[in-house]
Amino acid sequence: DAGVTQSPTHLIKTRGQHVTLRCSPISGHKSVSWYQQVLGQGPQFIFQYYEKEERGRGNFPDRFSARQFPNYSSELNVNALLLGDSALYLCASSLPTGTEGGYTFGSGTRLTVV
Amino acid sequence: RKEVEQDPGPFNVPEGATVAFNCTYSNSASQSFFWYRQDCRKEPKLLMSVYSSGNEDGRFTAQLNRASQYISLLIRDSKLSDSATYLCVVNPWGKLQFGAGTQVVVTP
Repeated sequence: DAGVTQSPTHLIKTRGQHVTLRCSPISGHKSVSWYQQVLGQGPQFIFQYYEKEERGRGNFPDRFSARQFPNYSSELNVNALLLGDSALYLCASSLPTGTEGGYTFGSGTRLTVV
Repeated sequence: RKEVEQDPGPFNVPEGATVAFNCTYSNSASQSFFWYRQDCRKEPKLLMSVYSSGNEDGRFTAQLNRASQYISLLIRDSKLSDSATYLCVVNPWGKLQFGAGTQVVVTP
């Protein structure tokens, strides 16, 4: 079985641009979460989606948005990029509560804003 | 105060030795608890879930103290391949909260 897949793996954008990151969860997992990891820190929660509905949002500005599709894949969108948005963006999939087997992460998208 | 606090290390451990470290968390509503391992520039990978009764997985032992809001990880007979950053993770309602990680370096 394929794990969590994310695309693209690396991305370089200019300040003010927009970016879309994509994630496909493990087959059978209906919950997808997004995290931002800045160098030297632990991942920070951005969004959680379950059955196409937003179930949680972290402390991120409205420039960040996401959605989940009927096939449970997800997109994270970031508008008006800032230098501080440079980070590793991680997608995690899980069974509904995540308590069974934890959360499985994709290999991430490394975003650099210049 | 950070939601999950960990000693960043590094913990320099001779091969074959035992190392232990812990984290504290602030959200008493947390429902589940995990240790993840993260290698340099890679994604976090689940090492083990942590239960109140304590649990082992091979050379790894985890403990949870809900009253003190404290989680620990012990690694016995350390291997070179155990060198990594260990992330303490708590789960309040699906919004995982991560510590900044504890770096472990196992030396020959």
